[in-house]
Amino acid sequence: KAGVTQTPRYLIKTRGQQVTLSCSPISGHRSVSWYQQTPGQGLQFLFEYFSETQRNKGNFPGRFSGRQFSNSRSEMNVSTLELGDSALYLCASSLETGRANYGYTFGSGTRLTVV
Amino acid sequence: AQTVTQSQPEMSVQEAETVTLSCTYDTSESNYYLFWYKQPPSRQMILVIRQEAYKQQNATENRFSVNFQKAAKSFSLKISDSQLGDTAMYFCAHRNTDKLIFGTGTRLQVFP
Repeated sequence: KAGVTQTPRYLIKTRGQQVTLSCSPISGHRSVSWYQQTPGQGLQFLFEYFSETQRNKGNFPGRFSGRQFSNSRSEMNVSTLELGDSALYLCASSLETGRANYGYTFGSGTRLTVV
Repeated sequence: AQTVTQSQPEMSVQEAETVTLSCTYDTSESNYYLFWYKQPPSRQMILVIRQEAYKQQNATENRFSVNFQKAAKSFSLKISDSQLGDTAMYFCAHRNTDKLIFGTGTRLQVFP
């Protein structure tokens, strides 16, 4: 059974540009969450999607957005990149939300560097 | 606010020995989930063990076990018979309304 797949693994962008990251969850998982990991702030929740609907959102500016497609694949977009957006972006999928939870399975992440 | 605290930034242990990583959390919920995740240099977060708050029995997964003290809001991870492959960052996490709140992590180094 394939795990959570994130693409690309590495990305270098210039300040002011925008970027789109992709996440394919485990087959059958309908919930996809995104997290930002930085040395200074640690792991912070960005948003969570379930059945193409955003169910929960973290405390990030509107430059950070996401969506989920009918096949549960998810994308997150960051517009007008800032140096502080440099981070490891992790995607996680889970089988259900709001009920019994067997844990979140994470992808290997996308390392974004803004120069 | 929901918080998760890991007070040990770094720990080290000799191979085959036992080590315990500490975690405390704060929540107003009566039923919730707690997790320990491992993040090796490969960056992937790997679920080590999970605990449902309404279950009084401590979770165990092979060499990994937890000491869950609900009243004290404590959730420590014990690694028995430590192996070199256990070297990684370990994160304690609390599930709060469909999102995970993570602690700051403990870097564990296993020495031969």
